[in-house]
Amino acid sequence: QVQLVQSGAEVKKPGASVKVSCKVSGYTLTELSMHWVRLAPGKGLEWMGGFDPEDGETTYARKFQGRVTMTEDTSTDTAYMELSSLRSEDTAVYYCATEVRGSYSPFDYWGQGTLVTVSS
Amino acid sequence: DIQMTQSPSAMSASVGDRVTITCRASQGISNYLAWFQQKPGKVPKRLIYATSTLQSGVPSRFSGSGSGTEYTLTISSLQPEDFGTYYCLQHNSYPRTFGQGTKVEIK
Repeated sequence: QVQLVQSGAEVKKPGASVKVSCKVSGYTLTELSMHWVRLAPGKGLEWMGGFDPEDGETTYARKFQGRVTMTEDTSTDTAYMELSSLRSEDTAVYYCATEVRGSYSPFDYWGQGTLVTVSS
Repeated sequence: DIQMTQSPSAMSASVGDRVTITCRASQGISNYLAWFQQKPGKVPKRLIYATSTLQSGVPSRFSGSGSGTEYTLTISSLQPEDFGTYYCLQHNSYPRTFGQGTKVEIK
């Protein structure tokens, strides 16, 4: 069973960056494909990016390219999502979501969510 | 990129009603379609993946069908706890994309 534990809520000013972490237990990061999804107030779920095991690369949604960076520390089985140049529209709950590589079973497991508030 | 068009965007139905939500993909997704339910303040919960495979523990009143570009989530007999927002997700290719969501309210 995979468990994902995310870092706590953040309040940031416009133009700043935020880095959210997602600690994995039950599996190692190298066995998983990690993704990030957000839910903004009044909006729907939005896929931001994730690891594609077929090419070994992280793919980002066009909307976030150039502003988002997703990294992994396999020594601690922790994934990170950093979003820069924050604006008010980035206020949202950010989730890590994962699946076992090659399982074709998407987003079996989710973190608890991290609220990021962007406000001056 | 594959676009997912979900309908309706919102609906209100009575307990016991049959509810159908549809997702249309902008191109074929080879049955790699999942459905999620999200209640306010809660983490999304996967109901179905690969078009029709029911997640363990999900009631059998939920079912999925479809092929090609058209996919459907059906709740055979709506229950009070089924309120929330439902999303489809195509997992055929990257970038992955969600539908816009369907908010289900109980009359």
